Amino acid sequence: DTEVTQTPKHLVMGMTNKKSLKCEQHMGHRAMYWYKQKAKKPPELMFVYSYEKLSINESVPSRFSPECPNSSLLNLHLHALQPEDSALYLCASSQAGTASYSNQPQHFGDGTRLSIL
Amino acid sequence: AQSVTQLGSHVSVSEGALVLLRCNYSSSVPPYLFWYVQYPNQGLQLLLKYTSAATLVKGINGFEAEFKKSETSFHLTKPSAHMSDAAEYFCAVSDRGMNSGYSTLTFGKGTMLLVSP
Repeated sequence: DTEVTQTPKHLVMGMTNKKSLKCEQHMGHRAMYWYKQKAKKPPELMFVYSYEKLSINESVPSRFSPECPNSSLLNLHLHALQPEDSALYLCASSQAGTASYSNQPQHFGDGTRLSIL
Repeated sequence: AQSVTQLGSHVSVSEGALVLLRCNYSSSVPPYLFWYVQYPNQGLQLLLKYTSAATLVKGINGFEAEFKKSETSFHLTKPSAHMSDAAEYFCAVSDRGMNSGYSTLTFGKGTMLLVSP
């Protein structure tokens, strides 16, 4: 059982649809992350939120729109996606604070497998 | 910038044999290093982490890793492989240079461990 919960587990959508991915954690972590993972590849960082503020956007196309409504919840809004966006989308969280917190491990959810038709 | 290199995209062992998965790092400062495991259709699970305390780190499921500064290595080992160990393994280094108060991970390309009966 993972402590980071992602919904839905699977999502199939057309290129004109709008959908959202949801991530929730109750470990009191103040850093939350979105990753994209293609088959047989490592995860690629998309966004980082620290204390509910967007800290990193790794030049992700605007058709992906993150949102962090509170310290436990992270959303990824999807619109007008392309077939190459089909992938496993992973959410993670970690403790945050002073610079020493860069040694904190990230805890991952099981991901949402997204297929774009 | 910090980076990790995993030698061998696939490693095959027999059940009961020693498991050795290799990871070398490149870092201008003492690194924080992690090993994660990913089972099919799941997220990443933390196996162990090195954060400059003991050089021999014990993790879950009987895995351990030894930090060797002279060899810039952090290889993962397990004395006796089980069928259930078959999975993808990722070595990762935390970027300590950002002073951001949270971890950002750079992953290796991953090693698929295959275990035969």
